[in-house]
Parts: sequence; structure tokens; C-alpha cells
Amino acid sequence: DIQMTQSPSSLSASVGDRVTITCRASQSISSYLNWYQQKPGKAPKLLIYTASSLQSGVPSRFSGSGSGTDFTLTISSLQPEDFATYYCQQSYSTPHTFGQGTKLEIK
Amino acid sequence: QVQLVQSGAEVKKPGASVKVSCKASGYTFSTYYMHWVRQAPGQGLEWMGWINPNSGGTNYAQKFQGRVTMTRDTSISTAYMDLSRLRSDDTAVYFCAREYSSGWSLDYWGQGTLVTVSS
Repeated sequence: DIQMTQSPSSLSASVGDRVTITCRASQSISSYLNWYQQKPGKAPKLLIYTASSLQSGVPSRFSGSGSGTDFTLTISSLQPEDFATYYCQQSYSTPHTFGQGTKLEIK
Repeated sequence: QVQLVQSGAEVKKPGASVKVSCKASGYTFSTYYMHWVRQAPGQGLEWMGWINPNSGGTNYAQKFQGRVTMTRDTSISTAYMDLSRLRSDDTAVYFCAREYSSGWSLDYWGQGTLVTVSS
């Protein structure tokens, strides 16, 4: 199975900050990397697919980059509604494993 | 609009089975694979497998092989996830999610079904 490792596991930031979350795969996954946002008690929401494609309806302050084994999710200017947990997921091969999550908290 | 509506919460005893349903609307059910993902309390997301609603073909994570069965009823646009021989560590929220055609990401999710396994 492909292991997905996110860093950091938690992050404190302020409204307006630029934030970057990293996801590393244990082997090359080309660009088959997705990012999700999850708020407490809710289902995950797709933000980015195939590493850098913005899902319809997602604000442009979210962006993704990377290929192979190293990927990043960047939020250019944090908004109050962005405080949540973020997960990466590889869809290169089954099982489609998730990272352990990054909890983004208000500083 | 696309909607996935799951069945309600369940409480089961160890060793029992549970069947969770996921009713799709707003799109052609047979066109998109359906995945199942679970989340134990306070934990991360765990991928369980997918079903091709058109053919009924499935792909399960090795961890659940032999205990999970994913089926569908195309006449009512509903997918099912059956988990048997339940243990306490199967206590989790179970989500169904539609696979997006690009990159095999999951673009629409059900609201989740809490399954509690307790004696």
C-alpha cells in the first residue's frame, strides 16, 4: 500500500495568513493526489483533484501543486471559514489511502 | 443537484453485521463508481473500497477482504455496504462518496452513518 504522510499534523494561523500543507507519498503517484477539507461533524469536501485542479465552486485562494511524491496545498489568505482539518488522498492505486490529516486552528 | 442520502445510525453487538445504504439522486447512478470511506471517532479517513454500479464489480481494501460486501440496486439508485463480524474497532462514521471522472477523486459525499459496535 502507498503511505501518505502529511505535515504538519496541526497548525495555528491567523486570518489573512498564507498557509502551506505538505503531503508526501511513499512512492510516485504521478499527479493522482486529491485534497479535502473536513469540518467537525460534516463529510469531507473536495478542494483539489489531480494535484492542482480546483474543484468547481472552491475559492481561488486554494491551490495545489506537485507531482511524483511531493505535494502541497496552499491557502493564500486564510478566511475564518477555512479553519478545519485537511486531508490528502492518493488515487493512483488501490487502496486509495489518505494522509493522517492536518488540523488548521485559529491562532 | 447531486445528493447522496445514507441510512440512519446503527447500534450493533460484536459479531453482528451491518448494512448501510446510500441513495443517489440528481445524476445517472450507473455512470459513476461509488466509494466507501470510514472515520473512527476522532481519527482520520480510511478508504474501504468501491463498486461499479454499472457492472457490480468491486474493489475492496485488503484490510476488509472477507468481511465487506458492496452491492447496488440500480432500479432505486442505491448502493449498499455490508460489514460482517463486527468488532468494537469498527465503530465509526461510514461515508459513501461518488467518484469524479477526473483523477478518481471523490466529489460528492453522503452525510455519513454512525455505526456503534458495543456489547
